[in-house]
Amino acid sequence: KQEVTQIPAALSVPEGENLVLNCSFTDSAIYNLQWFRQDPGKGLTSLLLIQSSQREQTSGRLNASLDKSSGRSTLYIAASQPGDSATYLCAVNFSGGYQKVTFGTGTKLQVIP
Amino acid sequence: NAGVTQTPKFRILKIGQSMTLQCTQDMNHNYMYWYRQDPGMGLKLIYYSVGAGITDKGEVPNGYNVSRSTTEDFPLRLELAAPSQTSVYFCASSFPGQSSGNTIYFGEGSWLTVV
Repeated sequence: KQEVTQIPAALSVPEGENLVLNCSFTDSAIYNLQWFRQDPGKGLTSLLLIQSSQREQTSGRLNASLDKSSGRSTLYIAASQPGDSATYLCAVNFSGGYQKVTFGTGTKLQVIP
Repeated sequence: NAGVTQTPKFRILKIGQSMTLQCTQDMNHNYMYWYRQDPGMGLKLIYYSVGAGITDKGEVPNGYNVSRSTTEDFPLRLELAAPSQTSVYFCASSFPGQSSGNTIYFGEGSWLTVV
């Protein structure tokens, strides 16, 4: 079964700290991997998408890496700010169709001022 | 640019009632999706569409129906509402491609309670 796991479920860090969120998946046959941010009561906002052929993507203070062979991705957030507090979800588009996107349950991040 | 718009935002239904969640996108995306999100669970795909006139079941289609008469609109119909359909529903869209990937754009969500 194709599964996506995110550990830990929740994380609390002081402002200014660099942090890493983890995502693991069970099948290396993927089209891409996407990281989303979800604020309470809101929809998901795409942060970064890494194609299967890529190793990493960067946007501002965010850097996402992909290691298909080990079934892992990390989202690195530099110099965290209270505004980064949200739930971060990882979504893997497994091969076999663009609709085959499996979401992790997310890591709820709290950045303490 | 409105993106993906879904209505209503909140709705309370009685058991056995029916309703339609509306979804429209203005990005000319061919793929559209309906997901449900339950506490502590990842998003589950209910139905999806790869273009006007084409729909298919996702992981949890029972109790739902969809139609896709235009590129822009993808309504989700709940027939004979049950308490198990209490959830947050998200409509989404994308335009997959080998070079562009498959960035998925989500609506703001519809909170549905069945009592």
